[in-house]
Amino acid sequence: NAGVTQTPKFQVLKTGQSMTLQCAQDMNHEYMSWYRQDPGMGLRLIHYSVGAGITDQGEVPNGYNVSRSTTEDFPLRLLSAAPSQTSVYFCASSSAAGTSYEQYFGPGTRLTVT
Amino acid sequence: GNSVTQMEGPVTLSEEAFLTINCTYTATGYPSLFWYVQYPGEGLQLLLKATKADDKGSNKGFEATYRKETTSFHLEKGSVQVSDSAVYFCALSRGGGADGLTFGKGTHLIIQP
Repeated sequence: NAGVTQTPKFQVLKTGQSMTLQCAQDMNHEYMSWYRQDPGMGLRLIHYSVGAGITDQGEVPNGYNVSRSTTEDFPLRLLSAAPSQTSVYFCASSSAAGTSYEQYFGPGTRLTVT
Repeated sequence: GNSVTQMEGPVTLSEEAFLTINCTYTATGYPSLFWYVQYPGEGLQLLLKATKADDKGSNKGFEATYRKETTSFHLEKGSVQVSDSAVYFCALSRGGGADGLTFGKGTHLIIQP
């Protein structure tokens, strides 16, 4: 049981380049989310999904796209990278069962845009 | 909307000191409350949680009680260790939990031997 996995761990992009951050979970969780972490800002929600085929915007969605074709995978796409997207990105998943809604986090992807 | 406010650090303590990290929240309904911990270079790990008023979450010597009357969820530990040095995040569930968590800005805790 690997939990939540993210690739790559580190990435450097030039302004205007595109890339996809991968996220996968093997816990059969219905809910998945993407956050970015910036110094002094905590974690802010980018996009989330409540199931395959269903996604919605979070607090800071501009510049990012997501899709969810399977329960396991939730990739985050940067269409045209900007220096303001330099950050650490975390993917998380949680189960719809129960009432505690705790989230399980991946190890993160550190992205630098020059 | 929902929000979480926690004391900002860094907080520097000596080993075996008593720790309190304050957390207050604003939310509609009855959110679940969490403390997550992030060690250097790692992702976030759940430290403890509470799902209803007056619940006490506890783990690894840390405790926090869900106080609805004061909208607080303060983190405490009686005797900290150097290994407790990390960043601590208070968070609450949004809505029914499907749309992620709302986090505080984090408190950097430094424990000196």
